[in-house]
Amino acid sequence: DAKTTQPPSMDCAEGRAANLPCNHSTISGNEYVYWYRQIHSQGPQYIIHGLKNNETNEMASLIITEDRKSSTLILPHATLRDTAVYYCIVLSGGTSYGKLTFGQGTILTVHP
Amino acid sequence: DVKVTQSSRYLVKRTGEKVFLECVQDMDHENMFWYRQDPGLGLRLIYFSYDVKMKEKGDIPEGYSVSREKKERFSLILESASTNQTSMYLCASSPVERGWHTEAFFGQGTRLTVV
Repeated sequence: DAKTTQPPSMDCAEGRAANLPCNHSTISGNEYVYWYRQIHSQGPQYIIHGLKNNETNEMASLIITEDRKSSTLILPHATLRDTAVYYCIVLSGGTSYGKLTFGQGTILTVHP
Repeated sequence: DVKVTQSSRYLVKRTGEKVFLECVQDMDHENMFWYRQDPGLGLRLIYFSYDVKMKEKGDIPEGYSVSREKKERFSLILESASTNQTSMYLCASSPVERGWHTEAFFGQGTRLTVV
């Protein structure tokens, strides 16, 4: 599976959009981009995933560049409860095992 | 809601003890996973299972074994606990739809201290 690179930390003001980047320049054609987050003292939580089209759900939007070498997770109106570590993971499609490999992630701090 | 339940939130064991960490999921998921999380090292996969009685080693299986006798239950076993196995242990499960991974659901974690 392709390796990902994320900034170690980011800040965001409450109510503003949080844009979290992820670089996955070695991604291959059948690999999906997944985002998880981990709030302090809890297990990781799935946010969203995509292959090449942009995706949106009730939590966030995922924008994948046309060459698929990078993506951005967007939390449109960040709240204090969105303070967490955000993980970008690349995973091969078609595998039934779904073995997630977590990197160091980005610590997002939302401040009032 | 999908629920992944780990038997203990906190556990203190002595060096050399055999330790069982239990995980149960209630959504009939095929895949189950055990991770450990340590400061500065992130989450590391210990073992995973994609079916009853099937198991595969993850990235750090040494010192651990697993058991999956029923689909809903995945146990992590520390045969002889050591202090370097003090960690947060996280269990997860995920369904397989059309052969593809969708989303994984994690338990709250068990903080194990070996003294």
